[in-house]
Amino acid sequence: AQSVTQLDSHVSVSEGTPVLLRCNYSSSYSPSLFWYVQHPNKGLQLLLKYTSAATLVKGINGFEAEFKKSETSFHLTKPSAHMSDAAEYFCVVSVEGSFKTIFGAGTRLFVKA
Amino acid sequence: NAGVTQTPKFQVLKTGQSMTLQCAQDMNHEYMSWYRQDPGMGLRLIHYSVGAGITDQGEVPNGYNVSRSTTEDFPLRLLSAAPSQTSVYFCASSGYRGGTDTQYFGPGTRLTVL
Repeated sequence: AQSVTQLDSHVSVSEGTPVLLRCNYSSSYSPSLFWYVQHPNKGLQLLLKYTSAATLVKGINGFEAEFKKSETSFHLTKPSAHMSDAAEYFCVVSVEGSFKTIFGAGTRLFVKA
Repeated sequence: NAGVTQTPKFQVLKTGQSMTLQCAQDMNHEYMSWYRQDPGMGLRLIHYSVGAGITDQGEVPNGYNVSRSTTEDFPLRLLSAAPSQTSVYFCASSGYRGGTDTQYFGPGTRLTVL
């Protein structure tokens, strides 16, 4: 069975400082992993995805994530936060051949000026 | 391309009323799904479809019905609304690999059941 845990419900950073949003997953098979972003009162947009190619995945807006099988983690990072990064971020796991995706509970990112 | 569209944007129902949330996509995607979003719980899968005429249950299907008569449309029906169905509903679509492909989300429908 698959599951995903986002370790922080809220993260607050200052503009220009690094961002780290943590995600651990559980999957019996090789997973596909995604990060989606949701700005207030908007739908969700894909940031990046891992599908068994390179373990370091680069996404939009300067975000990247590293797949670490030994730690069952897929943490999202960005070197320097921008005010426009303030949003909710979801880590998602799916398995090849499965039509079901499992969302984490979400991490709300606050960016202080 | 309009992508994934949902109507209505907002809806208020009384307990026991029925209604249909509409979802359409113009990307010729085979896979479509409905989620509900509740605070602190992420998105939970209600129903999904892997093509016209084929639907299946997700994590929280009770109280909802779906059908898929065309590739483009995937309506969600609430048969007898309950306050527990107050939520934000998102429709999504993706290519043939279903959950392992990028999902494209609609803007959501905010439903309140009194």
